[in-house]
Amino acid sequence: GQNIDQPTEMTATEGAIVQINCTYQTSGFNGLFWYQQHAGEAPTFLSYNVLDGLEEKGRFSSFLSRSKGYSYLLLKELQMKDSASYLCAVRDSNYQLIWGAGTKLIIKP
Amino acid sequence: SAVISQKPSRDICQRGTSLTIQCQVDSQVTMMFWYRQQPGQSLTLIATANQGSEATYESGFVIDKFPISRPNLTFSTLTVSNMSPEDSSIYLCSTTEGTGASQVFFGSGTQLSVL
Repeated sequence: GQNIDQPTEMTATEGAIVQINCTYQTSGFNGLFWYQQHAGEAPTFLSYNVLDGLEEKGRFSSFLSRSKGYSYLLLKELQMKDSASYLCAVRDSNYQLIWGAGTKLIIKP
Repeated sequence: SAVISQKPSRDICQRGTSLTIQCQVDSQVTMMFWYRQQPGQSLTLIATANQGSEATYESGFVIDKFPISRPNLTFSTLTVSNMSPEDSSIYLCSTTEGTGASQVFFGSGTQLSVL
């Protein structure tokens, strides 16, 4: 079966750095997405990786290793507004998105 | 980037009634997707809607319960029929854009509570 694993919850301190990991086993691979979702709101796009390596976008970076079925989202200089759920999703060989259950990130002052 | 207007944003409904959710995209898109997100859980795909053909439903979802319309390339509706409290959830429409469908956009979501 297809599976996306990410930690259920993480806690970090304002101003610090946090890394959210995602491992996947899917039927084929056509890209990996990271989304941010605040409670009661729709997910908003953060990043898209289709090739191995690091994609940097401001305070957020995303890394992909296709051979290891692994990605991480790195958040730097954490702000209180970064408290949210972070969803990892993989597009499989049928171009269908398989979603992880999300990681709830709690930022403390 | 595509902008999707979804309504209603929330509703409280009685058991046995039906609710239709609408999504309007500001550009023409080939595929639109309907998701359900139950409290504390991730997104579950209900169906894929292409213009001019019947929607394709995922396992566990049927057309009688979740009829979908896709009359043109900018609009789609999802109806939740004969509702029960188990249908209480957030419903989201989505579309893709860009080379290799590298961008995925969501409507603002409909928070449905069934009493």
